[in-house]
Amino acid sequence: QLQLQESGPVLVKPSETLSLTCTVSGGPIYNYNYDWGWIRQPPGKGLEWIANIYFSGSTYYSPSLKSRVTISVDTSKNQFSLKLSSVTAADTAVYFCARLKAGDHYFDYWGQGTLVTLSS
Amino acid sequence: QSALTQPASVSGSPGQSITISCTGTSSDVGNYNLVSWYQQHPGKAPNLMIHEVTKRPSGVSDRFSGSKSGNTASLTISGLQAEDEADYYCCSYAGGNTFYVFGTGTKVIVL
Repeated sequence: QLQLQESGPVLVKPSETLSLTCTVSGGPIYNYNYDWGWIRQPPGKGLEWIANIYFSGSTYYSPSLKSRVTISVDTSKNQFSLKLSSVTAADTAVYFCARLKAGDHYFDYWGQGTLVTLSS
Repeated sequence: QSALTQPASVSGSPGQSITISCTGTSSDVGNYNLVSWYQQHPGKAPNLMIHEVTKRPSGVSDRFSGSKSGNTASLTISGLQAEDEADYYCCSYAGGNTFYVFGTGTKVIVL
């Protein structure tokens, strides 16, 4: 059974960089059929897609976050990562990592999510 | 790119059928048969219920069905059960530089 697990600091200071890693178990990231992505959800609000990455390194970013986001993949560790720079209070959210079915464009496996809060 | 529009809440009694709408534009919902639906219980991760407008993953009850007409996709839950009380989100592929747009979310209330 595929499992995804987010990890990283849960408190980030304003203007600093948020860094999260998603560890995939139960299957390889090196898979032609899937992309890997990040989605976030501010407290009490809806879902927002952030970015996707293919195992080859091809990346896709939300236009509204593109200037601040970097997504990367480490196939040797079966992990992919998110960096969001210059964070503000608006970036406080639960961050989910997920697997995306390439070509059919749906998220079929999700991590449990991790709440990242901005705190000075 | 604006979020897809969903009603804030939909309610129904056990056994009834309800439908949640998801309205986009000709650039997303109307242009691709790539709408998916997710169920989210409080404090949990979203769970895929429908993909590619009408397809149901294995393990998802056949009480859940999807459809689309023009720029509006819909999720119907028939034989409503207490366990269906949750938030539901649609998502559409939008191509170009936008890629993916989620809906505003709908809270389903079982009376």
